[in-house]
This record gives sequence, C-alpha cells and structure tokens, in this order.
Amino acid sequence: GAVVSQHPSRVICKSGTSVKIECRSLDFQATTMFWYRQFPKQSLMLMATSNEGSKATYEQGVEKDKFLINHASLTLSTLTVTSAHPEDSSFYICSASGTGSALTVPDTQYFGPGTRLTVL
Amino acid sequence: GESVGLHLPTLSVQEGDNSIINCAYSNSASDYFIWYKQESGKGPQFIIDIRSNMDKRQGQRVTVLLNKTVKHLSLQIAATQPGDSAVYFCAEYVSGGYNKLIFGAGTRLAVHP
Repeated sequence: GAVVSQHPSRVICKSGTSVKIECRSLDFQATTMFWYRQFPKQSLMLMATSNEGSKATYEQGVEKDKFLINHASLTLSTLTVTSAHPEDSSFYICSASGTGSALTVPDTQYFGPGTRLTVL
Repeated sequence: GESVGLHLPTLSVQEGDNSIINCAYSNSASDYFIWYKQESGKGPQFIIDIRSNMDKRQGQRVTVLLNKTVKHLSLQIAATQPGDSAVYFCAEYVSGGYNKLIFGAGTRLAVHP
C-alpha cells in the first residue's frame, strides 16, 4: 500500500524547453504533495508544498515562475520546469501524504521513485 | 533549501554485523522522526518512525532510538545484509500546517560480504 508513482522516470531535453513531471498517489488520497530536488551525493531539498486545490507554497530561493506546480486532484500533482537550463539538471522526487486504508502510517510522506532530468 | 548535505559519511560493515547510523536533529520542537532508505537512482523508502513521547521503537531487524536531551536519533540494523546497502536519511517533522519534513545529510551504508 501507499504507492506513489512518477512519470517520466528519466527525461533529456534541450535548453530552453519545458518539461512536465507527473506525480500520482495510486492507492490513497494525497491531500498534500511535496516536490524535492536532489543533487548527487546530497540530501533532499524541499522545493514546494501543495495542497489539493490550493496554490503551492514555495521554499525560499525556489522560483515559482520557473517551477510550476499544479495539484488539481487528490491523486495527481505536476511539476513543470519552464525554460529549462543545464543547471536545472537534477533528480526530482515527489512525495505525498494523506488519508486512506493503504496508509500504514498516516501523516507520513511516501515518496515516488524520482525523475532524472538532464538538460543539454 | 533547509537541509543540504555537503558531505556523505560512509559506514562500512561486514555482512551479519549490526549497524548503527546516527543523526543529530536541529529543532527541539520537532515531535516526529522518520528514517528513510534510499537506494541509488530511487526515491526514499520509509523504514521506521518514532514520536517524541517514545525513546525506542522496534521494527523488523531495525530499532530507532531517540534522545531528546541531546537531540540525537539513531537507527540500528541487526544482522546487516548486502541488500541493506543504501543511503539512510533521518527526517524531522516540523509543525506548521503542511507537515514539512527536514532531512538530514544522510549516511551511506556499505555492506561487505
């Protein structure tokens, strides 16, 4: 139970293009979803938090116009990296917390498998 | 970001030995802690959690100890196996409306046969 999926798992794009990453909770309702980025050999850095139907709350230093987050339903959140540049290359991970019988530990964040973004 | 690990310490153990991974957390108001395991190229996987009203919690082959006096958390893995090789992160829960987790820097566990 408590499965979170991400798509795509890996994406390579040209500089200046936009990339959309999807995060889905498969067996529970995700009232809150989180987006992290992780550089090699480093810890997870929280980018933003979103509640379903509300605007995302971005962490300090994260450009909301560059990293567009939409949490339109209780099972889906999307992160769009707009006008991507090589410095945006990273491992992007989403997590979700919420309600449902699949959740063995309520309020805990369950993580997706991550998306490796490479911007050429 | 609030937690960026510039260093990734490594703990090397022999297969079958017990492993102890330590973590110092920052916020004395944190009242919920989680240990995650992250294998290469994958997202973090929940291992075990503990609330601040406890000082010890056991799972299958894992035990988490919490010392609130010195703000220290540890993860003990019994009879470490090659499949336990991964990076382990502790995370503390910061209250404030959005269940925000603060991650530690992480420790790489390398299990040798």
